[in-house]
Amino acid sequence: RKEVEQDPGPFNVPEGATVAFNCTYSNSASQSFFWYRQDCRKEPKLLMSVYSSGNEDGRFTAQLNRASQYISLLIRDSKLSDSATYLCAKRGYSTLTFGKGTMLLVSP
Amino acid sequence: EAQVTQNPRYLITVTGKKLTVTCSQNMNHEYMSWYRQDPGLGLRQIYYSMNVEVTDKGDVPEGYKVSRKEKRNFPLILESPSPNQTSLYFCATRDALNEKLFFGSGTQLSVL
Repeated sequence: RKEVEQDPGPFNVPEGATVAFNCTYSNSASQSFFWYRQDCRKEPKLLMSVYSSGNEDGRFTAQLNRASQYISLLIRDSKLSDSATYLCAKRGYSTLTFGKGTMLLVSP
Repeated sequence: EAQVTQNPRYLITVTGKKLTVTCSQNMNHEYMSWYRQDPGLGLRQIYYSMNVEVTDKGDVPEGYKVSRKEKRNFPLILESPSPNQTSLYFCATRDALNEKLFFGSGTQLSVL
């Protein structure tokens, strides 16, 4: 099993929709998880950190389910500007391991 | 302004011609890292450095070298580039307090 796995998508949603992505991971020793956003051919940028209690930032909510070994990202009221690839990442001792990303396309 | 600066942004070269991609940061971060990104394979770590003079292999180190002689710089060296090293490369630093990774703007390398 790969360390971090994501559905590549694309997820096509209309503006205003709610969309959720999951990311499964192996090696449960990891303590820290993250969601990054990457626009086409640009550098990834941190969207949210994900800790045991989960967290919310405006329209974005991230959750961690340790029992089932997955993290999730929920985007409410999708905007056109949310179109991007969303990468989940797992922190190890010396490295950050990324999933291959899930592409989101928000249409008018 | 906090920055990770990579150069060049684009590079086309030929097989076997040594090249260096530079990476510099102004945030005084100890940790620096290089990733390559390929379609269908995602971001894969090449090398990382926990501090000056300390470097370690990542997942795909073959064909690459790095050095960390000073904290702010972490160049990626391809001694004899091959076409399978055609990729989008990112340098990154990590804030020790919040574990946030800061990426450079990337280097698109094509090896012919």
